[in-house]
Amino acid sequence: GAVVSQHPSRVICKSGTSVKIECRSLDFQATTMFWYRQFPKKSLMLMATSNEGSKATYEQGVEKDKFLINHASLTLSTLTVTSAHPEDSSFYICSGLGDGETQYFGPGTRLLVL
Amino acid sequence: DAKTTQPPSMDCAEGRAANLPCNHSTISGNEYVYWYRQIHSQGPQYIIHGLKNNETNEMASLIITEDRKSSTLILPHATLRDTAVYYCIGDSGGGADGLTFGKGTHLIIQP
Repeated sequence: GAVVSQHPSRVICKSGTSVKIECRSLDFQATTMFWYRQFPKKSLMLMATSNEGSKATYEQGVEKDKFLINHASLTLSTLTVTSAHPEDSSFYICSGLGDGETQYFGPGTRLLVL
Repeated sequence: DAKTTQPPSMDCAEGRAANLPCNHSTISGNEYVYWYRQIHSQGPQYIIHGLKNNETNEMASLIITEDRKSSTLILPHATLRDTAVYYCIGDSGGGADGLTFGKGTHLIIQP
């Protein structure tokens, strides 16, 4: 299957700082990428959809000014958590839409805000 | 997206076939059935998907009933590494609109 990477895999930051997470499709071009969030013992929840070269579409309840998404190329999307707070601590997972309209997921980034 | 119902947990002996059921009685004609699994602390892994016909790949087989109201994912020879949460998802956009994950089935492979 297609491969998606995320960096970093884990990050710890202080409250009030910003954190950037990168998502790369390694062996395919992803015109559409997705960002999900998963809290402990819960299922993945879609946060936003990003299309290369255009603004991201956010799900209801997700603050676009807090979770900045950039999809500048067909293989890279970034999620920046601005002014992070402890309640933003979560497992952030991206995916890319490959051929045949199948989503391939990255390994996830675990964010801990102190 | 179609609402899907899965048992919360299942056990299976190592080396045996694991059969994971999914009910999707409200699935519409253009919605595919996707299966993903998530091993602890990792991102979901795509397994297989189908529309009407049964499908098989190197990981699993997908059996869809003729009325498309339910399906079964079959792992033919389960190993300990197959212990994971398995998600059955109905989606008409092929995942193009984002996937809606339910609670899935926690499959535990017993040695």
